[in-house]
Amino acid sequence: RKEVEQDPGPFNVPEGATVAFNCTYSNSASQSFFWYRQDCRKEPKLLMSVYSSGNEDGRFTAQLNRASQYISLLIRDSKLSDSATYLCVGDAGNNRKLIWGLGTSLAVNP
Amino acid sequence: SQTIHQWPATLVQPVGSPLSLECTVEGTSNPNLYWYRQAAGRGLQLLFYSVGIGQISSEVPQNLSASRPQDRQFILSSKKLLLSDSGFYLCAGLRGTNYGYTFGSGTRLTVV
Repeated sequence: RKEVEQDPGPFNVPEGATVAFNCTYSNSASQSFFWYRQDCRKEPKLLMSVYSSGNEDGRFTAQLNRASQYISLLIRDSKLSDSATYLCVGDAGNNRKLIWGLGTSLAVNP
Repeated sequence: SQTIHQWPATLVQPVGSPLSLECTVEGTSNPNLYWYRQAAGRGLQLLFYSVGIGQISSEVPQNLSASRPQDRQFILSSKKLLLSDSGFYLCAGLRGTNYGYTFGSGTRLTVV
């Protein structure tokens, strides 16, 4: 079983739609989680950290469920510019490295 | 804040040639540093990480090596490149696992 698993997609949604991505992790010692965004042929960029209480940044909401060991990302009112690959990341429990999912591809269509 | 500088942006090298990619860090001292490779359409593969000068951990056996001669410098090397070494190489810094990684802009290596 992969340490961090995501549905690879692709998710094809129309502009204005709400889309949700889930990610599961296997290391119960993981404490820190993040969502990154990667555009084609570019480096990943931090989208948001994920806190136990849930957090929101504009149209983006991240949730963490420690009991079920999953993380979610909700994007409301999708824009064309949201088209990218979204990477779920968790720490390895040793303060030295992060473990990456393979990413979920999102295409927002006009 | 932390900034990762990486160069060159693209590189085409023949099979059997050597490789040296350099990464430098600005804005923090004693960061954990990482080299990742991403093959086309694939996920990020951790190659090496370093928690300090001269300290290198290798994640996968391969044709590459890494060195950290200075606190803010991390180098990825190969003596003889293989076709399978082609990919997108990313250097990243980690201030702490609460903050996530900051990535350099990457080097796209094509071995021909």
